[in-house]
Amino acid sequence: DTAVSQTPKYLVTQMGNDKSIKCEQNLGHDTMYWYKQDSKKFLKIMFSYNNKELIINETVPNRFSPKSPDKAHLNLHINSLELGDSAVYFCASSQIAGGPGETQYFGPGTRLLVL
Amino acid sequence: AQSVTQLDSHVSVSEGTPVLLRCNYSSSYSPSLFWYVQHPNKGLQLLLKYTSAATLVKGINGFEAEFKKSETSFHLTKPSAHMSDAAEYFCVVSDRDAGNMLTFGGGTRLMVKP
Repeated sequence: DTAVSQTPKYLVTQMGNDKSIKCEQNLGHDTMYWYKQDSKKFLKIMFSYNNKELIINETVPNRFSPKSPDKAHLNLHINSLELGDSAVYFCASSQIAGGPGETQYFGPGTRLLVL
Repeated sequence: AQSVTQLDSHVSVSEGTPVLLRCNYSSSYSPSLFWYVQHPNKGLQLLLKYTSAATLVKGINGFEAEFKKSETSFHLTKPSAHMSDAAEYFCVVSDRDAGNMLTFGGGTRLMVKP
């Protein structure tokens, strides 16, 4: 069984569109994250949610809005897509928020291409 | 502020020879350190982690890493490379002063020649 899953795996869309990426974890974890990996493979955290509440927002444009309907899901909605949003987006989860050495488990990634 | 530097963006080895992927970190407190691996078009998988216990950490697939506080290093090694080890490797640091948030290095692409 997949621990952290994301849909879709690939997303190709036009500039200006609005799109969503879904993430689900079946590990029973309390904390979920979104990361962005750019074309140079650099990974940076975007958001962190603990039990449906936002705890980290790393200077991400407000066109990006995470939504957590329950602690097993953290979806990412992006409005007015721009060329620079093209990247791979990874969802992750961990048992608790901010625990020392807490392992985060990553999903397979969603490859977004904005044309 | 915490940061991670992976000293080599690309490393190429022959199958059966040792692997060394270098990582130096900067942290204001006792850090936790991780190595993750990303195979092509795949997600990230945890190889191993250090959390202030034994300084030599053994991970999956024969990898290990040694935490050296005096050198602020956490290099990843494997005695004998396998073709399936070809992937991107990320060194990651987290510490209490940064809310235990993960900070990733720039990655090292490991290529294994037959």
